[in-house]
Amino acid sequence: SQKIEQNSEALNIQEGKTATLTCNYTNYSPAYLQWYRQDPGRGPVFLLLIRENEKEKRKERLKVTFDTTLKQSLFHITASQPADSATYLCALGTAGNTGKLIFGQGTTLQVKP
Amino acid sequence: NAGVMQNPRHLVRRRGQEARLRCSPMKGHSHVYWYRQLPEEGLKFMVYLQKENIIDESGMPKERFSAEFPKEGPSILRIQQVVRGDSAAYFCASSLGQGAFNEKLFFGSGTQLSVL
Repeated sequence: SQKIEQNSEALNIQEGKTATLTCNYTNYSPAYLQWYRQDPGRGPVFLLLIRENEKEKRKERLKVTFDTTLKQSLFHITASQPADSATYLCALGTAGNTGKLIFGQGTTLQVKP
Repeated sequence: NAGVMQNPRHLVRRRGQEARLRCSPMKGHSHVYWYRQLPEEGLKFMVYLQKENIIDESGMPKERFSAEFPKEGPSILRIQQVVRGDSAAYFCASSLGQGAFNEKLFFGSGTQLSVL
C-alpha cells in the first residue's frame, strides 16, 4: 500500500547545530516533493519544492535532497535557531494530480538555546 | 496584500447541525483546495476547485460534504448533519496555477470544527 512516513518522534537539538529531517515513501512515483513548516494553530507555510530530476535544492539555511532510488527526501536546517522550532511537513505531488498533495504526518523540531 | 482568509477560526456545532466553512483565496488566485487535518494525522486532500467548477473531489466523503467556489464570493465547504468524527481542522489553500510542478500552495490559518 502507499505510505509516506516522517519521524513521528520529536527532534530536539541544540541551537547552532544542523537539524536533519527524513521523509520516506513507498509505492509512489512523485513528480515533485515539497516541504512546509507548520506552527501550532496555523496553516502550513511553503518552504521548498524539489522535482524528481533534481538531487538537491538550497534556500538560505535550508537544504533539501531527493533520492528517487531510495524513495527518500532529507531536509536540513543549518545553524538552527530557536525560531526554527515548528512542525515540518513533507508533501508529494504526482504527475496529473495537480494540486493534490499527499502529506506526511510531520516531524516536530525543537531547537534549544 | 492579504493572504488566504478563512472564517470562522473556530466553529462549534451539535451533532446533526450544518457547518459552513468559508475561504477567500489570495488575490489573483483562482485555484482553491480544501484539506482536513485530524489530530496526530497528516493533512488529507479533500477537493480542488476553480471558479464555478469542481476539478477533483476524490478526497471528499460522498455523503454530507459539498464544496463550491462561485463566480463571486468565497469558496464554501459545507458539512451537513455533522457527526463527532467530523471534528478536525479544515484548511483551505490557493494557488496561482494548477498546483503542479512549480506551484506552491498558500494555506489559510484553518477552521477548527468541534462537534459536540
